[in-house]
Amino acid sequence: RKEVEQDPGPFNVPEGATVAFNCTYSNSASQSFFWYRQDCRKEPKLLMSVYSSGNEDGRFTAQLNRASQYISLLIRDSKLSDSATYLCVVNNHPYRGYALNFGKGTSLLVTP
Amino acid sequence: GAVVSQHPSRVICKSGTSVKIECRSLDFQATTMFWYRQFPKKSLMLMATSNEGSKATYEQGVEKDKFLINHASLTLSTLTVTSAHPEDSSFYICSARDRGASGEQYFGPGTRLTVT
Repeated sequence: RKEVEQDPGPFNVPEGATVAFNCTYSNSASQSFFWYRQDCRKEPKLLMSVYSSGNEDGRFTAQLNRASQYISLLIRDSKLSDSATYLCVVNNHPYRGYALNFGKGTSLLVTP
Repeated sequence: GAVVSQHPSRVICKSGTSVKIECRSLDFQATTMFWYRQFPKKSLMLMATSNEGSKATYEQGVEKDKFLINHASLTLSTLTVTSAHPEDSSFYICSARDRGASGEQYFGPGTRLTVT
């Protein structure tokens, strides 16, 4: 079983729509959690960290359920510029020096 | 925000040659740098963890004699792909962890390697 699993999509949504991505992780000892965004042929960029209490940054809301080992990202009022691949990322055990464990990514295409 | 550079951004080489990729943290010191590889439509996979002044720690299945990592200073790590083969063609990305209190990781822009 992969450590971080995501629905690869693609998700095709119209501008203004709300879209939700889900992610599960297998290592219950994981320390911290993130959503990254990756544009085609570019490096991943941090979108937001994910906290147990849930957190919001503008149109983006992230949730973490440690008991279910489940992470989500909600995007409201989608923009064309939101089109990208969204990576669910989990921080491994400290012994790995905080190396990040990436999901395969969920592809989002926002259309006019 | 903090900046990590990689050089070269793109390289094409012939089979059997070696390629060196540099990763630099430009405005912070990084005791730990990470090397990832991403094949098309696949997730980033950690190859190795590079610690300044010591040997790198390689992930299972990554040949340390093929992928030589040197982290000689707090701002520079290099990855050398030795005797490259077409199956080594991939997107190689480094990240650097700020040794300061934030401990945040910053990614380089990646190096696209094509082996012909």
